Amino acid sequence: DGGITQSPKYLFRKEGQNVTLSCEQNLNHDAMYWYRQDPGQGLRLIYYSQIVNDFQKGDIAEGYSVSREKKESFPLTVTSAQKNPTAFYLCASSIVSSEAFFGQGTRLTVV
Amino acid sequence: DQQVKQNSPSLSVQEGRISILNCDYTNSMFDYFLWYKKYPAEGPTFLISISSIKDKNEDGRFTVFLNKSAKHLSLHIVPSQPGDSAVYFCAANTNAGKSTFGDGTTLTVKP
Repeated sequence: DGGITQSPKYLFRKEGQNVTLSCEQNLNHDAMYWYRQDPGQGLRLIYYSQIVNDFQKGDIAEGYSVSREKKESFPLTVTSAQKNPTAFYLCASSIVSSEAFFGQGTRLTVV
Repeated sequence: DQQVKQNSPSLSVQEGRISILNCDYTNSMFDYFLWYKKYPAEGPTFLISISSIKDKNEDGRFTVFLNKSAKHLSLHIVPSQPGDSAVYFCAANTNAGKSTFGDGTTLTVKP
């Protein structure tokens, strides 16, 4: 089945550690996105990529890094520089300027 | 400054009645508008969209209206069903493919 897969579903991180969230899609979409959702709030854009080997900062990129070495994959690293990383993270893909298809999300908790 | 606003955090309607969800935006560069539906702990799913060159788009029970002069769009669900109970996000795209989301409206449809 075609779709977008995020893993893991739940992730716990100790303070000071970097963690990487996985996002894979087999929809042959050029564009991929990472969003963060906090309780009672909308989705805020962290990073996006419209083509392999290229990506742009979104509205809240500080403390995060990404790579886009393959069309299918867009991993997000939450670094120790991110001061408040506990949140629900959503990855999405799309044909550029069309509707986005979202993964099931990763809930990251700092312990 | 929030560029996409959903001013009603929640809405409750009776089954069979009309649900109207509203969204306002400030950026004149937005040219494509979308509505997504989201259940807890899941990724949003695309519902319906409208291009800035149109003022109405209909898909079954769902209709989106766009008033460009007022920078306002609305989603009408008729008739509302209990299964429609979810969080609804309005999103706006620029031609660069970047989406900006509102904070969402929680719709509850009572049997």
